[in-house]
Amino acid sequence: DSGVTQTPKHLITATGQRVTLRCSPRSGDLSVYWYQQSLDQGLQFLIQYYNGEERAKGNILERFSAQQFPDLHSELNLSSLELGDSALYFCASSPQQGRGETQYFGPGTRLLVL
Amino acid sequence: SQQGEEDPQALSIQEGENATMNCSYKTSINNLQWYRQNSGRGLVHLILIRSNEREKHSGRLRVTLDTSKKSSSLLITASRAADTASYFCATDPSGSARQLTFGSGTQLTVLP
Repeated sequence: DSGVTQTPKHLITATGQRVTLRCSPRSGDLSVYWYQQSLDQGLQFLIQYYNGEERAKGNILERFSAQQFPDLHSELNLSSLELGDSALYFCASSPQQGRGETQYFGPGTRLLVL
Repeated sequence: SQQGEEDPQALSIQEGENATMNCSYKTSINNLQWYRQNSGRGLVHLILIRSNEREKHSGRLRVTLDTSKKSSSLLITASRAADTASYFCATDPSGSARQLTFGSGTQLTVLP
């Protein structure tokens, strides 16, 4: 158990809908990262937040947004969902800003868009 | 785009044998990490090797890093069925980028 929790574990929804994925980092970790894992794209970095502020941005679509709250939990919002958004979404955390740090991954949320 | 590329894509061995996976990357790095992922589960950190290190051990794991060739290898000795998983290398590039960049992974199957 990494100490990172993600909810929900599974999510089934329809195209055009909006969903919110939630992540609680390990106690004391200030950085939260979001990744998308699909069969064709592999593991793609989406975005990083550090202590409430966006720190780095990866291959995140404009339809997706995230935020980190004062209690350091984070939410990833996916809107106008498309079939291709079906994937595993992972959250990870690290103690500081990330440089040279191990990232601790949550169990993931499996999203299926029908 | 993915910085690291693992080779082979899939590897099947008998229990007790050694498994070697390779990772190549493109840009200079601060460090390289190896992660393991059991099917459909989250990634688990295995080992981190810094750019000024050449070899590192952790239990049955041995990692090497050759920065001149921009490559790393992960050796798992005396493999067990429980080692069956996907293994990913992740690089922490030098420069302004902070995020880890993961390779495409090697699927290891250890047969009992």
